[in-house]
Amino acid sequence: DTAVSQTPKYLVTQMGNDKSIKCEQNLGHDTMYWYKQDSKKFLKIMFSYNNKELIINETVPNRFSPKSPDKAHLNLHINSLELGDSAVYFCASSQDPLVGDTEAFFGQGTRLTVV
Amino acid sequence: KQEVTQIPAALSVPEGENLVLNCSFTDSAIYNLQWFRQDPGKGLTSLLLIQSSQREQTSGRLNASLDKSSGRSTLYIAASQPGDSATYLCAAFIIMNNNAGNMLTFGGGTRLMVKP
Repeated sequence: DTAVSQTPKYLVTQMGNDKSIKCEQNLGHDTMYWYKQDSKKFLKIMFSYNNKELIINETVPNRFSPKSPDKAHLNLHINSLELGDSAVYFCASSQDPLVGDTEAFFGQGTRLTVV
Repeated sequence: KQEVTQIPAALSVPEGENLVLNCSFTDSAIYNLQWFRQDPGKGLTSLLLIQSSQREQTSGRLNASLDKSSGRSTLYIAASQPGDSATYLCAAFIIMNNNAGNMLTFGGGTRLMVKP
């Protein structure tokens, strides 16, 4: 039973298109994240949500808009895709430190290729 | 701002060797430190988590240590096997002030190759 699942696993699209990546966690965690892994494999945080509220937005272009319909879901919508958006995007979740163990769990990643 | 560095960036060892991967962080006010493994084209698998109050954690052939005061963590792999070949990432979990959120800050990773 997958703890953090994201879809699709691969996404190839043309410049200028709008696309979404979905993420769901079944761990009952309060905090969810989106990370971007660039071509050099460096992982950088994009957003952090706690109980459906945006907490961290790390200078990501406003073409990227996360949406959290409930605690278990954090989707990422990207408008007007650019070549530089090509990367692997990881969703993750962890528990609120005030609630419990903060071990983070990651999805399998979505490899986005913009052509 | 927290910065996490891992050295070496790449490491190649013969099978059976014991090895140490290094991780350093600039801000000692971490909540915990987590080690991950990433296989090519795959997601991140959590290996070990060390709370800030702990000195080490062990899981099988893996042992992770934490020295907050010096801003260092090490991952020790005993009797390495070809199946250990992967990229190993350390990440410092911080709680930002004034309920500004939590986040993991990652190092650049160490690419490990264990040769048969």
